[in-house]
Amino acid sequence: GDSVTQKQGQVTLSEDDFLFINCTYSTTTYPTLFWYVQYPGQGPQLLLKVTTANNKGISRGFEATYDKGTTSFHLQKASVQESDSAVYFCALAYTGGADRLTFGKGTQLIIQP
Amino acid sequence: NAGVIQTPRHKVTGKGQEATLWCEPISGHSAVFWYRQTIVQGLEFLTYFRNQAPIDDSGMPKERFSAQMPNQSHSTLKIQSTQPQDSAVYLCASSFTTGGCEQYFGPGTRLTVL
Repeated sequence: GDSVTQKQGQVTLSEDDFLFINCTYSTTTYPTLFWYVQYPGQGPQLLLKVTTANNKGISRGFEATYDKGTTSFHLQKASVQESDSAVYFCALAYTGGADRLTFGKGTQLIIQP
Repeated sequence: NAGVIQTPRHKVTGKGQEATLWCEPISGHSAVFWYRQTIVQGLEFLTYFRNQAPIDDSGMPKERFSAQMPNQSHSTLKIQSTQPQDSAVYLCASSFTTGGCEQYFGPGTRLTVL
C-alpha cells in the first residue's frame, strides 16, 4: 500500500538557521504531495501543495520540492523564527482530486531563541 | 469564513458508553473526511463522504464505529461501547471536489475514555 516515511522525529534549531525536513513516499501512482503544520491544540493547517505538474511550491517563506526520481519531497526554509515552532507533517493523495490523505509521522520543530 | 467546526472540543466517556462527534464543514465544500490522531499511530484516515454519499470507509474499525452525513452542513462520527484504546483526537476536514481539493481541518475533538 501507499506509505509516507518521515524519519526526523524532532529537529532543534536556533533562530535564523536553515531548515530541511525530508519525506519519502511509496506509491504506484504519481501522487499530489502536501506539507501541513500543526500548532498545539489546533488541527493541521495546509502549508504547501506540490504536484507533478509544478514540482515546487512556495508559501510563507517555506519551499517544498518534489523529486519523482527519488520519490522524495522535502520542506525547507532559509531562516527559521521562533514562531515556526510546530509539528510539520508531509502527506500524499492518490490524485489531485478530493481524496484521502496518507500522512507521515510528523517532525517536531523546536526553535531556540 | 468560520472554517471547519467540530463539537465538542473535549469529551470524556466511561468505558462502554457511546460517543457522538460532530463536524460542520466549510460552506460550499462537498467532501468531508474524518481522521484520528494518536501519539503512537499518528494521523490515520477513517472515512470520507462526497456530496453526502459515503465513498471510502476503509480506515474505520469494523465494529463500534459509524459515520453519517445526513445533510451538506454536518457529519457525525459515532463510537459505540467506547474503549480506552479509542482515546484520541478525532479530526474532521473538508474540501471542494473539483479544482485544488485541498483539505482544511477543524480543531479536533479530544476523546478520553476512562
